[in-house]
Amino acid sequence: DGGITQSPKYLFRKEGQNVTLSCEQNLNHDAMYWYRQDPGQGLRLIYYSQIVNDFQKGDIAEGYSVSREKKESFPLTVTSAQKNPTAFYLCASRGQGLNTEAFFGQGTRLTVV
Amino acid sequence: GIQVEQSPPDLILQEGANSTLRCNFSDSVNNLQWFHQNPWGQLINLFYIPSGTKQNGRLSATTVATERYSLLYISSSQTTDSGVYFCAARNTNAGKSTFGDGTTLTVKP
Repeated sequence: DGGITQSPKYLFRKEGQNVTLSCEQNLNHDAMYWYRQDPGQGLRLIYYSQIVNDFQKGDIAEGYSVSREKKESFPLTVTSAQKNPTAFYLCASRGQGLNTEAFFGQGTRLTVV
Repeated sequence: GIQVEQSPPDLILQEGANSTLRCNFSDSVNNLQWFHQNPWGQLINLFYIPSGTKQNGRLSATTVATERYSLLYISSSQTTDSGVYFCAARNTNAGKSTFGDGTTLTVKP
């Protein structure tokens, strides 16, 4: 099936550890996105990438890092510099151009204790 | 950048009632989507509707781009319609969409 896969669904980490969230898509989409959602809140953009080997900061990039070495993959690392990492993380992708829909993965719920 | 406002923030209905959710945006848009976030957190695509009207079963949407708003209509609501509805707008080819804060819909049996 075509789609976007995020893994794992739930992730627990100790404070001070870096953690990497996976996002893979087989839709042949050029653009990929990472969002953060806190309880009862909307989506905030962390990073996005429109093409392989290129990415841009979103609105809340501090404490996060990404890479885009392959078209299909856009992993997000939550570093120890992120002060409040516990949140729900959503990955999305879309084709290139204005008239394209974005599609989302199922999300990863990260809890840092 | 573009600002997106959704109203109302919260809506409580009895099963079978109809509702209208609104999305206002501050600038012209070339791309607008409506999503439903289910209880497990996943965002489900409802409509891609930069202009005009579309219908899908009990749901329909209208975007009036010249007046900078979009409406999502839910008819004969069911308890499974509960959740958060987001609109997202985009007006450049820079790649970013802006999301509204969402409307939380609760449908009571």
